[in-house]
Amino acid sequence: AQSVTQLGSHVSVSEGALVLLRCNYSSSVPPYLFWYVQYPNQGLQLLLKYTSAATLVKGINGFEAEFKKSETSFHLTKPSAHMSDAAEYFCAVSGAGGSNYKLTFGKGTLLTVNP
Amino acid sequence: DTEVTQTPKHLVMGMTNKKSLKCEQHMGHRAMYWYKQKAKKPPELMFVYSYEKLSINESVPSRFSPECPNSSLLNLHLHALQPEDSALYLCASSQAGQGNTEAFFGQGTRLTVV
Repeated sequence: AQSVTQLGSHVSVSEGALVLLRCNYSSSVPPYLFWYVQYPNQGLQLLLKYTSAATLVKGINGFEAEFKKSETSFHLTKPSAHMSDAAEYFCAVSGAGGSNYKLTFGKGTLLTVNP
Repeated sequence: DTEVTQTPKHLVMGMTNKKSLKCEQHMGHRAMYWYKQKAKKPPELMFVYSYEKLSINESVPSRFSPECPNSSLLNLHLHALQPEDSALYLCASSQAGQGNTEAFFGQGTRLTVV
């Protein structure tokens, strides 16, 4: 069954530092993977998605993620954190229970950026 | 237009009230979703409509009643809710039937049951 695990419920970085948010997936078939961001009291916004076209995926706001099948990972990175990156980040996989409509989220990682 | 619009943004209702949440999109998406999100938790899927037909009901209590009047609109009718139903209710839409397509989310309705 498709699932994702986010390592670290809270990550704190200094402004200008590297951001690394970890996500590992469990899937019996090649997965469709997504990273979403949620700012306080708002809905979710797609940062990027992996659909097997390329292992290095570039998203919005300078974020990117690399799909590593050998490590079953899809970690999210950004070279230099900005204060506006402070938010909750969710990794997600589609296809749970054999349904393309079921998007299963990880528990989320709260990113704080210190000045 | 890549927006999913939800109304109202905030709702306070008593346990005996009947209210409805509304969601609208004009992206031509034929799949629409309701999610429930409690504080500091990920969204949990409640219902999925595909081509205006209920496709998935994740064993949601009958006090929540979804409706999809047409391909652009999705409602969630609420009746006799409990305080534990207080949460952020998110609507989303996507292209139908494709696992590699992303869901677009609305800003949510913050529901408080008193």
